[in-house]
Amino acid sequence: EVQLVESGGGFVQPGRSLRLSCAASGFSFHDYAMHWVRQAPGKGLEWVSGINWKSGGIGYADSVRGRFTISRDNAENSLYLQMNSLKIEDTAMYYCAKTPSPYSSGWFFDYWGQGTLVTVSS
Amino acid sequence: ESVLTQSPGTLSLSPGERATLSCRASQSVSASYLAWYQQKPGQAPRLLIYGASSRATGIPDRFSGSGSGTDFTLTISRLEPEDFALYYCHQYDISPGTFGGGTKVEIK
Repeated sequence: EVQLVESGGGFVQPGRSLRLSCAASGFSFHDYAMHWVRQAPGKGLEWVSGINWKSGGIGYADSVRGRFTISRDNAENSLYLQMNSLKIEDTAMYYCAKTPSPYSSGWFFDYWGQGTLVTVSS
Repeated sequence: ESVLTQSPGTLSLSPGERATLSCRASQSVSASYLAWYQQKPGQAPRLLIYGASSRATGIPDRFSGSGSGTDFTLTISRLEPEDFALYYCHQYDISPGTFGGGTKVEIK
């Protein structure tokens, strides 16, 4: 059974940093591209970032480019999102999502984690 | 960026009725790179349809997708109690992938 478990969310002040993690199990993590998608409270879904199976093909939404960094450790079956210079508008549930392909672009998300909540407030 | 507009915003129907949800793209979506997800309160989205019309693993056949170009439809043939939820379309053709604003299917 595919499982994606996010962690690392919490309450943080504007301008500070946070690192999210996603622990994967139930599939060959190193064979698939992975993404982060977020959802602000009461709002729709927004793609944040994606990375291919070999840590290439990295992309970011304009809203986070230059502040967020995606990475993965295939030996640890883990995906990460380093979030710096956080803004109030980054407040959201952050989901880790898997694609059915090694490549990060041009694919849908076949499995999602339950999410980790990030709240940015002073 | 391709903007997806979903309509209606809310659909009020009774169990057993047919639901028709629309998703319109601001730019043509080639190769029908369009997916649909279901989201229930407090839960993560779940993949229903990909490639505009292919059902994901384990999805009941009362869910069907159709369309091409800029106009796509998700149809639920007979609503079951567990189908009342939020539905999002997602285009993954034009980078960055974008989502529609969602359609809420509520019990009438």
